[in-house]
Formats: sequence, C-alpha cells, structure tokens
Amino acid sequence: DVKVTQSSRYLVKRTGEKVFLECVQDMDHENMFWYRQDPGLGLRLIYFSYDVKMKEKGDIPEGYSVSREKKERFSLILESASTNQTSMYLCASSLSQGSNTIYFGEGSWLTVV
Amino acid sequence: GEDVEQSLFLSVREGDSSVINCTYTDSSSTYLYWYKQEPGAGLQLLTYIFSNMDMKQDQRLTVLLNKKDKHLSLRIADTQTGDSAIYFCAESRGDKLIFGTGTRLQVFP
Repeated sequence: DVKVTQSSRYLVKRTGEKVFLECVQDMDHENMFWYRQDPGLGLRLIYFSYDVKMKEKGDIPEGYSVSREKKERFSLILESASTNQTSMYLCASSLSQGSNTIYFGEGSWLTVV
Repeated sequence: GEDVEQSLFLSVREGDSSVINCTYTDSSSTYLYWYKQEPGAGLQLLTYIFSNMDMKQDQRLTVLLNKKDKHLSLRIADTQTGDSAIYFCAESRGDKLIFGTGTRLQVFP
C-alpha cells in the first residue's frame, strides 16, 4: 500500500513563527504536492515538485516555500506564520508525470494564533 | 474562470440514490476524478474516468461524463450512512489536479 505520512496532525503556532510541515512517501513517487483545504474553497495547490530539488508554484504560493532535498520527503515552510494561514494542509504524491492516481496524507491541521 | 464547481451540500435518505454534480473548465483534461474525504482524514480516490468515456460503473458508483457541457456526476446507489463524507471532483491539468469545492453528503436514516 502507498503511504503518505504527514508528521504532525495538529499544530498550534504563534503569529510570526517559522513553521515546518513534513511529508514523506514510501513508494518512490516522483511527484509531490502540497494543498491547503478551507471550507467552501476546496483544495488549492500551494506548491508541487517533479523531482528532487525541483519545485513549481501552484495557485497560492504566497507566504509559503518548499524543500525537496530527498525524493521521499517534501517539506512545506511558512517563513512567518499569519492567522490567515490557519488551515488544513494536505500532502500528496503520484508516481510520475501523467500518472492518473494521486495519494494523499491524512492532513495537518495548523492553527496560527 | 478556472474554478471547478460543485454544490456544497447534499442530504439524502438511507437507501436512496445520491447524485453529486460537478462542472469543470478544461476541455483538454485527460482524467476526471472523484475523491472521498471522511471526517478528520485525507482524501481517498474513489474512481476516475478517462475523458474519452461517457460512463463508468464500479459497484454502487456510476460516473457520467458530458464533455460537451463539461459536466461530471457521481451517482451512489443504495446510499448508506457510511457514505456520509465530503466528495471532491477534480480535473487533471498537466501534472496537477484542480479540485472542486467539495460536496458534503449527509445520509439520514
């Protein structure tokens, strides 16, 4: 079974803190994605990566950065957390370009106070 | 615009059929997907349909695709309480998936 693991399920951070959300997949997938999910807005793509050290901006990259130093790990970074970044963050991976199946992690609930 | 649209809520009685609708925007999308999200969990792929198909059936699930109208629907036959969840449609754009807003399905006895 494919497993996408997000290390933190629930986090509470203060405004201005630097936040790291970690995601690991165990199926040697090339593509990895970070989405945020907000009520009434669905899932919006923040960043994605096709390969190690490669990254592409999604639809809402402002206020976020990412790191992909190893193929299995894709980190989402909030350099200076703000209250409007309170959300559910979902990591996902897929085998390769054109793959028709994307697998999701369980999600990380981030609250910024 | 670029939105994939769904209605936000659907309420059905147990045993009835549920139909969840979605309109998408990109006529060149290769695949269209339905994902299910149970409370507190990530998204699970339910089914997908290739863009050159009109219909796909998988047990209680039937997907209908109208490419002319860019309309996708998911029918769940004999809806059960365990089907209560948020259902997302998604279209492929290159290597990205663009998701709809999600439809919260509530099944009542």
